[in-house]
Amino acid sequence: EDKVVQSPLSLVVHEGDTVTLNCSYEVTNFRSLLWYKQEKKAPTFLFMLTSSGIEKKSGRLSSILDKKELFSILNITATQTGDSAIYLCAVRVQGGSEKLVFGKGTKLTVNP
Amino acid sequence: GAVVSQHPSWVICKSGTSVKIECRSLDFQATTMFWYRQFPKQSLMLMATSNEGSKATYEQGVEKDKFLINHASLTLSTLTVTSAHPEDSSFYICSATDRGPFETQYFGPGTRLLVL
Repeated sequence: EDKVVQSPLSLVVHEGDTVTLNCSYEVTNFRSLLWYKQEKKAPTFLFMLTSSGIEKKSGRLSSILDKKELFSILNITATQTGDSAIYLCAVRVQGGSEKLVFGKGTKLTVNP
Repeated sequence: GAVVSQHPSWVICKSGTSVKIECRSLDFQATTMFWYRQFPKQSLMLMATSNEGSKATYEQGVEKDKFLINHASLTLSTLTVTSAHPEDSSFYICSATDRGPFETQYFGPGTRLLVL
């Protein structure tokens, strides 16, 4: 059974801190790994990673994938209260229809 | 960017009634649409995958006779929860995949269903 595990499940930090969110996976037919940010409603896309060792960066957020060790990390530097959200990691698996398998998410709370 | 809409955004209904949720891709043609369900404090769970003009593929444990999916066109998919019960109360989210090389999934805003 395909599995995506995120850690920690919950994290509380102060503004300005740097956080690292973890995502490990065990799937057959890996295609890509995606990070999403979910606030009150549906997830919004952050990154898609397909190759090991290549960092994707967008502002204060960055992410990298290790396909050998089967994990990815999402870094957020100089956190702000607006970063408070649930961060979801999902793995796209190739099959009859390419579906996303989601982790349970990491709930990040950034306090002023 | 690609936009996916859902309607309604929330619905309250009595037990035993059927509820239809629409998912539309507004500015692109969606080769595939996905329906997810999310219970409180849990992750998104894929319910089914639908391709335009063909029958939906349901995930294990999802009753296809209860959750009817129709993907009539490249921009519209509907999910009908038949004879809804309180345990069907959840947040239903659709996503659509474009025809681009990376087939990014774009999510709709979700529909919150409360069955009394």
